[in-house]
Amino acid sequence: DGGITQSPKYLFRKEGQNVTLSCEQNLNHDAMYWYRQDPGQGLRLIYYSQIVNDFQKGDIAEGYSVSREKKESFPLTVTSAQKNPTAFYLCASTPGQGWYGYTFGSGTRLTVV
Amino acid sequence: GQQLNQSPQSMFIQEGEDVSMNCTSSSIFNTWLWYKQDPGEGPVLLIALYKAGELTSNGRLTAQFGITRKDSFLNISASIPSDVGIYFCAGYNNDMRFGAGTRLTVKP
Repeated sequence: DGGITQSPKYLFRKEGQNVTLSCEQNLNHDAMYWYRQDPGQGLRLIYYSQIVNDFQKGDIAEGYSVSREKKESFPLTVTSAQKNPTAFYLCASTPGQGWYGYTFGSGTRLTVV
Repeated sequence: GQQLNQSPQSMFIQEGEDVSMNCTSSSIFNTWLWYKQDPGEGPVLLIALYKAGELTSNGRLTAQFGITRKDSFLNISASIPSDVGIYFCAGYNNDMRFGAGTRLTVKP
């Protein structure tokens, strides 16, 4: 079955460490997105990519980095520069035009300990 | 960026009751979408609306694209316990903007 897979489901990080969240899709979608979700807030866009080897900053890109070396994969690195990284992270994809709606992964909950 | 105002923030209802929630914006959107998020999971698309005035149903769910293109409404009829979750509105032009969500609790 086609879908979008995020791993791990839960991640614990010590302060000062970088961590990488995985996002893989087999939907043949061109565009991929990373969102951050905090309690009581909507989804905030971190980075997005519309084609391989190209990506753009979203509204809250500071302290994060991404790569898009393959169409299927869009990993997100949370760096030590991100001051408040504890959150629920969601990856999404779409064929190319967002009016179809996004397909979301099941999320990664990152906790800084 | 464009802000979507979603209300109410939370609702506590009895099983069998109908539910209404809405989303407004100061900007016009060409597409309105509604998603549902179960606890600990990613949002799932419920309904997409593409034309001002459009009324679309998906089972017990009905959504409308406002005439002004600045708002949208979602109604759930005869709620059941599995309707529990967070409902997000989203507006799309060249990018997707999300509301803060309506948290729905259904008491059996």
